[in-house]
Amino acid sequence: QKEVEQDPGPLSVPEGAIVSLNCTYSNSAFQYFMWYRQYSRKGPELLMYTYSSGNKEDGRFTAQVDKSSKYISLFIRDSQPSDSATYLCAMSGPQAGTALIFGKGTTLSVSS
Amino acid sequence: NAGVMQNPRHLVRRRGQEARLRCSPMKGHSHVYWYRQLPEEGLKFMVYLQKENIIDESGMPKERFSAEFPKEGPSILRIQQVVRGDSAAYFCASSKGITEGTPVEQYFGPGTRLTVT
Repeated sequence: QKEVEQDPGPLSVPEGAIVSLNCTYSNSAFQYFMWYRQYSRKGPELLMYTYSSGNKEDGRFTAQVDKSSKYISLFIRDSQPSDSATYLCAMSGPQAGTALIFGKGTTLSVSS
Repeated sequence: NAGVMQNPRHLVRRRGQEARLRCSPMKGHSHVYWYRQLPEEGLKFMVYLQKENIIDESGMPKERFSAEFPKEGPSILRIQQVVRGDSAAYFCASSKGITEGTPVEQYFGPGTRLTVT
């Protein structure tokens, strides 16, 4: 079993839709959970991170962590064509400043 | 306010040559991480460095790969005697150190795309 599993998609939605992106993981030691956005042939861009369980909101983006189920989600409200990208979840252990373990990414396409 | 800088952006090497990839962290960041992204694969951690120290190299291949982050200048990822399987995008990320703030947030550069012919 891989440490971090992420459905690669592709996921296609119309503009304005609510998008749900998810990852599951197996290592219960993970404490930091990140979401990155990567446009084609660019570097990953940090969207947000959460520590341990709970929710975090930033504009149209909401991140949720359920440690009991080892399941994390990113919701995008009012999706825009500019949200079309690959979304990567990443995690690290209890000590901040360590290696990130990434999912393979979900490719999202938002059509106008 | 410049972000993480990497050069070159594209690098072509013949089999057996050496590849040198450079990374300058964001201003105020003292930690550097190198990741590799193979086609159809996710980002894989390679090495984590602070100035003049390798903190974690658990993801580095045992042979041909080395990394440094000298007191002055950029971090360097060196690949000796490259093979076709080394063709990938290599990304550098940087973060603050614990004494400078939270080191959780890693910011990535644009990457170096290495092609081995």
